[in-house]
Amino acid sequence: DTAVSQTPKYLVTQMGNDKSIKCEQNLGHDTMYWYKQDSKKFLKIMFSYNNKELIINETVPNRFSPKSPDKAHLNLHINSLELGDSAVYFCASSQGPVETQYFGPGTRLLVL
Amino acid sequence: GNSVTQMEGPVTLSEEAFLTINCTYTATGYPSLFWYVQYPGEGLQLLLKATKADDKGSNKGFEATYRKETTSFHLEKGSVQVSDSAVYFCAPGIQGAQKLVFGQGTRLTINP
Repeated sequence: DTAVSQTPKYLVTQMGNDKSIKCEQNLGHDTMYWYKQDSKKFLKIMFSYNNKELIINETVPNRFSPKSPDKAHLNLHINSLELGDSAVYFCASSQGPVETQYFGPGTRLLVL
Repeated sequence: GNSVTQMEGPVTLSEEAFLTINCTYTATGYPSLFWYVQYPGEGLQLLLKATKADDKGSNKGFEATYRKETTSFHLEKGSVQVSDSAVYFCAPGIQGAQKLVFGQGTRLTINP
């Protein structure tokens, strides 16, 4: 009964490939997020969706495309992967944009 | 603009020492304030929060008080344990920006 789940947990791929990360929450929350955490643990918000609508899109390359098929899911598709995309990607959810956020376990992406 | 400044790490202490991790923020209005903790290999999880001035959040022996006059939310614990070794993030919830603004994280290591 994991609250926020992500798949896959690890992703190793070659430069130039396209990959997707999936996220699901069973908390009934209205808002979902994608964050990128670099090797120094700095956490940067990428996207935020509220009721399936995009509300935050922080200067992220357009190779990154989020998709929210319903309120419980927020997926992240990445085209033409680059070395600099290597990081840990976290999904999170909350009832509202400034409420307590619940994080998934992370997806460790390594681009070779 | 909205920003948060956390005490730079890494911080290394001996077991049973007193801990303070400083956090100050810049924001319009009175944001909710959060401390998150990230244990090795895991996602972030809420440690404590405070939603209005002079509120004290507490959990697992940690405390932080919402200080409006100094725009601070310093994290304290009277006697740390080895199991407290983790990265700690301060995050004000900025209503206008519809997001939490995470600090850069403070890595804490407790030696037995």
